Amino acid sequence: EAGVAQSPRYKIIEKRQSVAFWCNPISGHATLYWYQQILGQGPKLLIQFQNNGVVDDSQLPKDRFSAERLKGVDSTLKIQPAKLEDSAVYLCASSARGGLNTEAFFGQGTRLTVV
Amino acid sequence: AQSVAQPEDQVNVAEGNPLTVKCTYSVSGNPYLFWYVQYPNRGLQFLLKYITGDNLVKGSYGFEAEFNKSQTSFHLKKPSALVSDSALYFCAVRGIYNQGGKLIFGQGTELSVKP
Repeated sequence: EAGVAQSPRYKIIEKRQSVAFWCNPISGHATLYWYQQILGQGPKLLIQFQNNGVVDDSQLPKDRFSAERLKGVDSTLKIQPAKLEDSAVYLCASSARGGLNTEAFFGQGTRLTVV
Repeated sequence: AQSVAQPEDQVNVAEGNPLTVKCTYSVSGNPYLFWYVQYPNRGLQFLLKYITGDNLVKGSYGFEAEFNKSQTSFHLKKPSALVSDSALYFCAVRGIYNQGGKLIFGQGTELSVKP
C-alpha cells in the first residue's frame, strides 16, 4: 500500500514570503494531521482533519497559517507571511480513523528553511 | 493535561547489548501509548503501541515496550542492539477529553549503537 505522500521535500524562502505544502494521505484514511517538528523537538500538532472537517486546530497560528482538505482527501498547508521561526520540518500523517487506539502513518516531511 | 517525557536526550549502546529508551507519561484516564522511530531525513515510522491487555508489547524490528501503570512508564527495549537501530526515537500518548485525541510527542531520544 502506498504511504503518505508529501511535496515538496525541501523549500527555502525569504521571510515574509508565502509557501504551500501538499499532502496525499493513504487511500481511505479519514483522519489527516499536520505536524510541525522544530529541530531538536518532538512533533507538535498544528491541525487535525476528520474527512474534510477540522477536529483540532488549537495550536495553529491562524494569523499566518491556514490548511484545507477539500473533498476529504488531499490537503494543503499554507504559511503567509513566513517568519524565521517557521523553519522546521512539516509532517503530514494519516490514520484510518480518529480513534484513540489508532496509530498514525507519517510522510517523509517537507523541510522548510526561512532566511 | 496529557504529556509525555523522555528523560534522556541520548542513549549510547554497544552492538549486541540490550537497550532501553525511557518514557514516562501523564494522562487522565487510561493511556494510549505509542513508540515511533525517525531515521535521518525521513518521516516517523510506527514501532508499537499499548492500548490494553498484556503489559509487554512487541513491535517491529525486534523492539518491545513494557507498560508500567504504577510508575507511569512505557520504556522501549530490545534484547540485542544493532548498529542499524541508531536513530531518533519518540514516545507519544493520545490526548483525550479536551485534547481531541491528538498524538502528543516527547522531545525524542537519540539512540547511538556502536560496533
